[in-house]
Amino acid sequence: AQSVTQLDSHVSVSEGTPVLLRCNYSSSYSPSLFWYVQHPNKGLQLLLKYTSAATLVKGINGFEAEFKKSETSFHLTKPSAHMSDAAEYFCVVSDPILTGGGNKLTFGTGTQLKVEL
Amino acid sequence: DAGVIQSPRHEVTEMGQEVTLRCKPISGHDYLFWYRQTMMRGLELLIYFNNNVPIDDSGMPEDRFSAKMPNASFSTLKIQPSEPRDSAVYFCASSLGVGEISETQYFGPGTRLLVL
Repeated sequence: AQSVTQLDSHVSVSEGTPVLLRCNYSSSYSPSLFWYVQHPNKGLQLLLKYTSAATLVKGINGFEAEFKKSETSFHLTKPSAHMSDAAEYFCVVSDPILTGGGNKLTFGTGTQLKVEL
Repeated sequence: DAGVIQSPRHEVTEMGQEVTLRCKPISGHDYLFWYRQTMMRGLELLIYFNNNVPIDDSGMPEDRFSAKMPNASFSTLKIQPSEPRDSAVYFCASSLGVGEISETQYFGPGTRLLVL
């Protein structure tokens, strides 16, 4: 079974400073990995997705993530935090082996990002 | 496209009542997923459909929960009878299919259910 571990449940940064949200995965296959963001009382929005085309993935709102197979990591970064980045972030691994096809998403427990002035 | 549409956005009901949550997937998407989000358990997959057929309902917590997809543009998740522990946010998501290009799931805004 595939799994993801988000190493920090809460991260607090100052506006304008870098953001690092850590994620490690476990997979028997070549995984697809995602980062989703959830703003308060909102749905889940896709930030970025890794398949196999490139190890450095750029997403929306200036976020990017690097797939490191040797470290089984997929950390999310942003050079400069903005107040609007305050939200919960989920690292997700996709399991392609499903009865009847399709893919099953396994979510991490989430990291709450706080951005302070 | 308007994205995945869910209704109602908020639902408050009393224990024992029937609750029906609705979802309209993105047009052309072959897969539809129902998730539940709680503080204790995070995001859990309840059930998913492929071409309107339920494929895996192993995540459905108990017989009080049922889901249907009568056509490609509509699905329901029903709880009967509802209990306070069913209080959660329920998300619907859809995807085009399998493979790197089409496996991305797009989520609706969710239905916040409170059972008193």
